[in-house]
Amino acid sequence: KAGVTQTPRYLIKTRGQQVTLSCSPISGHRSVSWYQQTPGQGLQFLFEYFSETQRNKGNFPGRFSGRQFSNSRSEMNVSTLELGDSALYLCASSLGHRDPATGELFFGEGSRLTVL
Amino acid sequence: GNSVTQMEGPVTLSEEAFLTINCTYTATGYPSLFWYVQYPGEGLQLLLKATKADDKGSNKGFEATYRKETTSFHLEKGSVQVSDSAVYFCALYSGNTGKLIFGQGTTLQVKP
Repeated sequence: KAGVTQTPRYLIKTRGQQVTLSCSPISGHRSVSWYQQTPGQGLQFLFEYFSETQRNKGNFPGRFSGRQFSNSRSEMNVSTLELGDSALYLCASSLGHRDPATGELFFGEGSRLTVL
Repeated sequence: GNSVTQMEGPVTLSEEAFLTINCTYTATGYPSLFWYVQYPGEGLQLLLKATKADDKGSNKGFEATYRKETTSFHLEKGSVQVSDSAVYFCALYSGNTGKLIFGQGTTLQVKP
C-alpha cells in the first residue's frame, strides 16, 4: 500500500512568488491535514480537509490556502512568499474526521521550501 | 487552550542506556495522546498511542502510559540503540479542536 506522497520534495522560490504543493493521501483515506515545520516554531497545524471541505484551520495568514479534490488529493498554496515561509511542509492523511483514531496520522516526507 | 510541553533536548545517551523523555499536556476533555518519531530527512511516523487514562502504548521497545492525574505521557525505553537516534514528538488530539497538537520535539542522539 503506497504511503502519502508529496511533491515536489524540494523547491526554491524568491520573495513575492507563489508556490503550490501537492499531496496524495493513502488510498482510502479521506482526511488530509497540512503542517508547517520550522526549527523555531516546531510543528504548526495549517488546515485539514475532509470530503473536499476545509474542516479546521490553524492560525496562519490568508496567504496560506488549500483545497481538496474529489479523489482526496490535496494542494496547498502560499502566495506572496516571505523569507519566514521557509519550512518543511508536511501532509498527513487519515481515514476519517474527528474520531479518536483521527490523531493517528500518516505523514509524507514533506516538501522543503526555501525562500530567498 | 490545548498544549503539549516536552523536555528540551538534545538528549545524548550511550547505547543500551535507559531513556526517558518527559511530556506533559494541557487539554480540556479527554484527548488521545501520541508519540511520533522523525528520522533524519523523513516525515513523522507514529510510534505509539493511548486513547484513555491509564492506557499504556508500546512499540519497538518504547512505552508510554497515559497519566491523567499528572497530565503526563512520558516516553521510556529500557535499552536504546544507535538506530533510535531521531527527533521524538509528543502530541495530543482532541475531538473538540479536530487537530493534532505537537510538542516542540526532543532530539535523541545515541552513541555507540
